[in-house]
Amino acid sequence: EVHLVESGGGLVKPGGSLRLSCAASGFRFSSFTMNWVRQAPGKGLEWVSSITSSGSINYGDSVKGRFTISRDNTKNSLYLQMDSLRAEDTAVYYCVRELVFGVLQPLNWFDPWGQGTLVTVSS
Amino acid sequence: DIQMTQSPSSLFASAGDKVTITCRAGQTISRCLNWYQQKPGKAPNLLIYAASILQSGTPSRFSGNGSGTDFNLTISSLHPEDSATYFCQQSYSIPRTFGQGTKVEIK
Repeated sequence: EVHLVESGGGLVKPGGSLRLSCAASGFRFSSFTMNWVRQAPGKGLEWVSSITSSGSINYGDSVKGRFTISRDNTKNSLYLQMDSLRAEDTAVYYCVRELVFGVLQPLNWFDPWGQGTLVTVSS
Repeated sequence: DIQMTQSPSSLFASAGDKVTITCRAGQTISRCLNWYQQKPGKAPNLLIYAASILQSGTPSRFSGNGSGTDFNLTISSLHPEDSATYFCQQSYSIPRTFGQGTKVEIK
């Protein structure tokens, strides 16, 4: 069974740092693009960052320059290093696998999602 | 960035009703549109991908259609367990963007 388990969330002061981890199991982790998606309390979903199987990386504008995504395929793990944290970064952070079909005009979707880890930025 | 707009933002319906949620993209996205269901305190769950393909395990009362900029998610006969928030998401380009969500509540 495909499984994603996030860890590393917690309470941090503004300007502080936190590192999230996501442990993957049940699939060939190294072959898939992985994403972080977050959800502020009572709000909608916001894509944060992605890293492809070949290591190509993208970030949302709101975290660019502050967050760093990485992966360790030997440990089947995804990471998100979050620096210079702000109150508006408070959210549940989800680790998500991206599936793709097709080459010329690929179709992509997110499945599955981890259970999420809560990050609270507050003094 | 491609803006995704869902309507309505919330709805109340009775069990057995037919419910339709609309998602509009700010530019054409072909069929690169996915739907997710999220229940309180839980992670989102994929319902439909590529605009109309039901994910394994999605009940057949759910259907999706559309292409280009306009898409629909329809529940043909609402069940109590369908009470949830539904999000559309475009996968045409990065950043992947989501609609603001539609909260479906049972009368």
